[in-house]
Amino acid sequence: EPEVTQTPSHQVTQMGQEVILRCVPISNHLYFYWYRQILGQKVEFLVSFYNNEISEKSEIFDDQFSVERPDGSNFTLKIRSTKLEDSAMYFCASSENSLGNVPQHFGDGTRLSIL
Amino acid sequence: QKEVEQNSGPLSVPEGAIASLNCTYSDRGSQSFFWYRQYSGKSPELIMSIYSNGDKEDGRFTAQLNKASQYVSLLIRDSQPSDSATYLCAVRPGSGTYKYIFGTGTRLKVLA
Repeated sequence: EPEVTQTPSHQVTQMGQEVILRCVPISNHLYFYWYRQILGQKVEFLVSFYNNEISEKSEIFDDQFSVERPDGSNFTLKIRSTKLEDSAMYFCASSENSLGNVPQHFGDGTRLSIL
Repeated sequence: QKEVEQNSGPLSVPEGAIASLNCTYSDRGSQSFFWYRQYSGKSPELIMSIYSNGDKEDGRFTAQLNKASQYVSLLIRDSQPSDSATYLCAVRPGSGTYKYIFGTGTRLKVLA
């Protein structure tokens, strides 16, 4: 069964450094998402992306965050100047389209630890 | 603020019993509802989706939706120790948004 893949599985970074999290969505999917889950808390929406544009973002997704689809397969989340509170599990998801009855499929996540 | 509420548990059931997991949501215009299973440190894995009032069955799982009461539930029949995980309720609010709003999840423990 096709799946969303994320790399790396664990990233350790010094506060203030830039980090790029990578995702390969399911190949025929057109909509891409990033969510994060701080340890012990809810999964929270960050951003959705379609047709090389951000289609929706949450208040968490401030100027330090950016997303990009640099080629036909990868979808990246960049955090420009990391803070301690950015430590979380980051999940990439994708869906075939934006219809409400089409589920989002999640990758295994990247655990980001900011020191 | 659109909210999705779940009892965090843990909900403990003996092996072979029915586990009943509940979720309420605040946005009356919500259209799509999903149950995901999440093992510790792993990604949410889709179990079921439901969009219409009533019951939807898939194997040992039954999702129930009551839009008037803003309530969605998941029943797991013949619970197995391998079902022990956190079950996340996700709601897609009314049209015009792509995001899912997740509950905190209910931790289920199936006792052998």
